[in-house]
Amino acid sequence: AQKITQTQPGMFVQEKEAVTLDCTYDTSDPSYGLFWYKQPSSGEMIFLIYQGSYDQQNATEGRYSLNFQKARKSANLVISASQLGDSAMYFCAMREITGNQFYFGTGTSLTVIP
Amino acid sequence: NAGVMQNPRHLVRRRGQEARLRCSPMKGHSHVYWYRQLPEEGLKFMVYLQKENIIDESGMPKERFSAEFPKEGPSILRIQQVVRGDSAAYFCASSLNRLGIINEQFFGPGTRLTVL
Repeated sequence: AQKITQTQPGMFVQEKEAVTLDCTYDTSDPSYGLFWYKQPSSGEMIFLIYQGSYDQQNATEGRYSLNFQKARKSANLVISASQLGDSAMYFCAMREITGNQFYFGTGTSLTVIP
Repeated sequence: NAGVMQNPRHLVRRRGQEARLRCSPMKGHSHVYWYRQLPEEGLKFMVYLQKENIIDESGMPKERFSAEFPKEGPSILRIQQVVRGDSAAYFCASSLNRLGIINEQFFGPGTRLTVL
C-alpha cells in the first residue's frame, strides 16, 4: 500500500484565492510526522510546514496551514491568498518515528492564474 | 549557516561511465540520506548513512550503486556503468538524531544526472 497518496496531479487557483492540496497517509506507527515541501521549476526542495501526530492543533506557517484529520489519516495543505510565486510542485511526505526514511507522494502541480 | 551542499548541480555522463555525486551535510548533522527523483515522480529513498556506517540501504539498487560517508569529507553516491534509466535528480538530505523525536530532514539542491 502507498504510504502517501496525493490524488490531484494538477490544480489551478486564481491569484489571491485559497487552495487546498490533498494528502492522505497510511501508517500503523502511533508516532509520525507529516511534512509539505514545495519544488519550484528550479528543482530545489523547500520545506513549508510540519505536523506531528501528537500535535493537538493544526500547524500554521504564514499563508500555509495544515488541515490535520488524524482519524481520516489526511493532512491537507491549505495555501491562503495565492500568489504567482506559489506556482510549483507540492509534495506531501511522512516519516515514522521507527523508520529512517521520508515517504513522498507523487506531488501536485499548482498553477496560480493571474 | 550553510545548508546542505551538493555538487555537481548538473552531471552529464555517457552510458558505461561512472557518476560520483557529493553531499556535505549541514553543520552539526551526522546523518545523511540519499533520494532519487525520476521525471514526473516524487522522491524515493535510497540509503541512510551515519559517519562511516550504512544504516539502511533498502532503497538502493543491488548492483552498480554504492554510497559512503567517511569520517572526513562529504558523503558520496557512486553509480558505476551508468545507463539511461539512471537519469534523474538525486537529492541528499541531512538531519540531527534526537532520540524520540521526528527529526526534520534538510534537503540539498540536488544533482541532476543526465546519461546520454
